[in-house]
Amino acid sequence: IAGITQAPTSQILAAGRRMTLRCTQDMRHNAMYWYRQDLGLGLRLIHYSNTAGTTGKGEVPDGYSVSRANTDDFPLTLASAVPSQTSVYFCASSKGTGARAYGYTFGSGTRLTVV
Amino acid sequence: ELKVEQNPLFLSMQEGKNYTIYCNYSTTSDRLYWYRQDPGKSLESLFVLLSNGAVKQEGRLMASLDTKARLSTLHITAAVHDLSATYFCAVDSYGGSQGNLIFGKGTKLSVKP
Repeated sequence: IAGITQAPTSQILAAGRRMTLRCTQDMRHNAMYWYRQDLGLGLRLIHYSNTAGTTGKGEVPDGYSVSRANTDDFPLTLASAVPSQTSVYFCASSKGTGARAYGYTFGSGTRLTVV
Repeated sequence: ELKVEQNPLFLSMQEGKNYTIYCNYSTTSDRLYWYRQDPGKSLESLFVLLSNGAVKQEGRLMASLDTKARLSTLHITAAVHDLSATYFCAVDSYGGSQGNLIFGKGTKLSVKP
């Protein structure tokens, strides 16, 4: 089934630990995105990638890094987790990029708790 | 910076009633999305509105876009319990510094018998 796979689905993480959230898509979409969802704040963009080999910062990038080695994978890394990074993380992808982006698809999310 | 405001943020309705959720945004865009999210689930695409005056309907939900007023509405007709969920609008900023999709904070809809 075409779509986005995120792993893990949930995780409890000790503060200060490093963690990588995985995201894989099989739709050959050019652009991929990481959002965090917090109660009362909607979804906010962390990082994005318009094509393999390029990444960009979103609205709330501090404390996170990403890489895009190939079209399908877009991992999000927390180098040293802090409790304020407790959130639900959604990976998304789109056909086209920038002003031509369309056909957004969202993964099922990763619920991360930093204690 | 593009801002997207939804209201109301919480909506408790009785079954059979009608209501409208509003989505206002602060800068020019002619592409707007509506999503539904059930608790603990991902976002489900409901509507994509691509031009001024666009109107789309699916079942008891109808969405419209007025780009001149920078306003989209999601109208609920004769609500049923199955419509209980959180609804988000998202405006396309065409790849600006905030990224493509700028989300409102969501409207949590509860439909009671």
